[in-house]
Amino acid sequence: QVQLQESGPGLVKPSETLSLTCAVSGVSFTSSSWNWIRRPPGKALEWIGYIYDSGSTHYNPSLRSRVTISVDTSKNQFSLKLSSVTAADTAVYYCARKGAYNYGFDYWGQGTLVTVSS
Amino acid sequence: QSALTQPPSVSGSPGQSVTISCTGTSSDVGNYNRVSWYQQPPSTAPKLMIYEVSNRPSGVPDRFSGSKSGNTASLTISGLQAEDEADYYCSSYTSSSTWVFGGGTKLTVL
Repeated sequence: QVQLQESGPGLVKPSETLSLTCAVSGVSFTSSSWNWIRRPPGKALEWIGYIYDSGSTHYNPSLRSRVTISVDTSKNQFSLKLSSVTAADTAVYYCARKGAYNYGFDYWGQGTLVTVSS
Repeated sequence: QSALTQPPSVSGSPGQSVTISCTGTSSDVGNYNRVSWYQQPPSTAPKLMIYEVSNRPSGVPDRFSGSKSGNTASLTISGLQAEDEADYYCSSYTSSSTWVFGGGTKLTVL
């Protein structure tokens, strides 16, 4: 079955770069977009950005200057880098797939909590 | 891009129906039939309940239905059950090829 699994440090210092990876299994990378979404404590979901297997990306305008999403199709994984983090970037980070043939995020990882603190 | 507007909370008794609204603009909800809805119980990943305004993925009960009029989409849950208690989020594709979520609605089953 389709599985997505986030991994990366759970604690990042202010001003440093947050790095996460999403390992994908059970589905091809083609025909879908691969997304990062976060939920800060007590707040709403926020879409961060997506990437296609071709490497084409789109980012949330409010985060664009600090975000980089990359893909490694040989390893069936994609990654998120968020630079110059502050406490406001503390959140549960999810990776998710937009459906291959429909507009909806149909598969999600379990989420990983990243705390920004010194 | 601004978040879509949802009511912060709704409530209903078991067996009743509730509707959650999601208001956007002509650059997102009003321009595309690409609105989706997600259910998120505490400490759990979101689950897709409705895609493309009114389509249910396999396994989602037909008690959940979606619709859209102009810049506002709606999720209706009929025959409320205790297990429906969760946060609900709408999302829409936008004219900038990005996605935007709503502010979320907490559903309480009384």
